[in-house]
Amino acid sequence: QSVLTQPPSVSAAPGQKVTISCSGSDSNIGSRYVSWYQQLPGTAPKLLIYENDKRPSGIPDRFSGSKSGTSATLGITGLQTGDEADYYCGTWDPSLDIWVFGGGTKLTVL
Amino acid sequence: QVQLQESGPGLVKPSETLPLTCTVSGTSVSSGTYYWGWIRQPPGKGLEWIGTMHYSGRTYYNLSLKSRVIISIDTSKNQVSLKLTSVTAADTAAYFCARLGYCSSGGSCSHDYWGQGILVTVSS
Repeated sequence: QSVLTQPPSVSAAPGQKVTISCSGSDSNIGSRYVSWYQQLPGTAPKLLIYENDKRPSGIPDRFSGSKSGTSATLGITGLQTGDEADYYCGTWDPSLDIWVFGGGTKLTVL
Repeated sequence: QVQLQESGPGLVKPSETLPLTCTVSGTSVSSGTYYWGWIRQPPGKGLEWIGTMHYSGRTYYNLSLKSRVIISIDTSKNQVSLKLTSVTAADTAAYFCARLGYCSSGGSCSHDYWGQGILVTVSS
């Protein structure tokens, strides 16, 4: 069982918007920045969002992140079939000096 | 252009030691700006953090693997290595090395570059 809790799956139609939640605690999300990763089938994870809401160069602004208290959210607008992937949240837990990932959310674009 | 490439055996026998190497190009493992980590993913499952190291020697490990894992950095070869001892079938996974960048003053980093991963099977 993962330290950070994500819904196992979400789905939406092309062109629509979807959000993916990531719930943690005061010792991890509550005290550190959250990052989000996209893993397309058969490939390595790719950084989508860092420091809660910042996008690395080359990541389209259809992807957004936010954090409130001990939860974080990834938003994806204008869904495309190419967005079908597994999405993971992650952060550092300074109380244990460990990195923690969410269990992952599978996005299906119907 | 930053690139990371994992290498090592694709098949390891139970109870043996799994040695993996991550060869880094386009950036230096001895840069104080970055940390270096290993993450694994069992077939069909989610990501599991193994450990993270800074070239200064600071090392952090997954508590459930700590007794069996050693991560090291070879600055002369620009490589990061992982050794996992006493492996079992439960250690069968794709193993990824990653760089941690975007490190803030608050002590948060993100895994900004990943290798393509290497599938390791533990079986006799």
